[in-house]
Amino acid sequence: GQNIDQPTEMTATEGAIVQINCTYQTSGFNGLFWYQQHAGEAPTFLSYNVLDGLEEKGRFSSFLSRSKGYSYLLLKELQMKDSASYLCAVDNFNKFYFGSGTKLNVKP
Amino acid sequence: DAGVIQSPRHEVTEMGQEVTLRCKPISGHNSLFWYRQTMMRGLELLIYFNNNVPIDDSGMPEDRFSAKMPNASFSTLKIQPSEPRDSAVYFCASVQGDEKLFFGSGTQLSVL
Repeated sequence: GQNIDQPTEMTATEGAIVQINCTYQTSGFNGLFWYQQHAGEAPTFLSYNVLDGLEEKGRFSSFLSRSKGYSYLLLKELQMKDSASYLCAVDNFNKFYFGSGTKLNVKP
Repeated sequence: DAGVIQSPRHEVTEMGQEVTLRCKPISGHNSLFWYRQTMMRGLELLIYFNNNVPIDDSGMPEDRFSAKMPNASFSTLKIQPSEPRDSAVYFCASVQGDEKLFFGSGTQLSVL
């Protein structure tokens, strides 16, 4: 089976930094995606990591350690509009498996 | 580009009825995926097609579920007969090669 684990819910304050972790154990691995999903909407792409290390994209950064089966999404300068679910997904050679998502609540 | 198009957006039906969900992938994308999302189980991969051929349907929960992709621009997911536990949001997604997945807006299915 495919195991992808994320915390269920997190709360952070506007303007702060939050890190959302993801651990995975899958039968194959070709890369890791992070998606954002607002309530009632479809998931939208945030980032993609293939190699170990940090990928930075504006306020969002994503880190991958293939040897540890671990990734995190870092959100800086949090805004109210960042309140959403964040889904970690493993590309298992063109089959994409998702974690259950982390619901992030941003408070004023 | 119009993106991945799903229909209907909402479907309410009675237990035992047949339900057909439709998807038009992004033109040029060679892989198509059907997912089901619930609070309890998150986003589950049901089936995926590559070049219109079903590659892996191991996520399809029961024989009541079937999916087809008769051509590169159209796919259906059918549930017959439907049951209340099938109530969920069903997403279709498509991708070109090893790039990122693009999702449709989803179909909210309620089986009463």
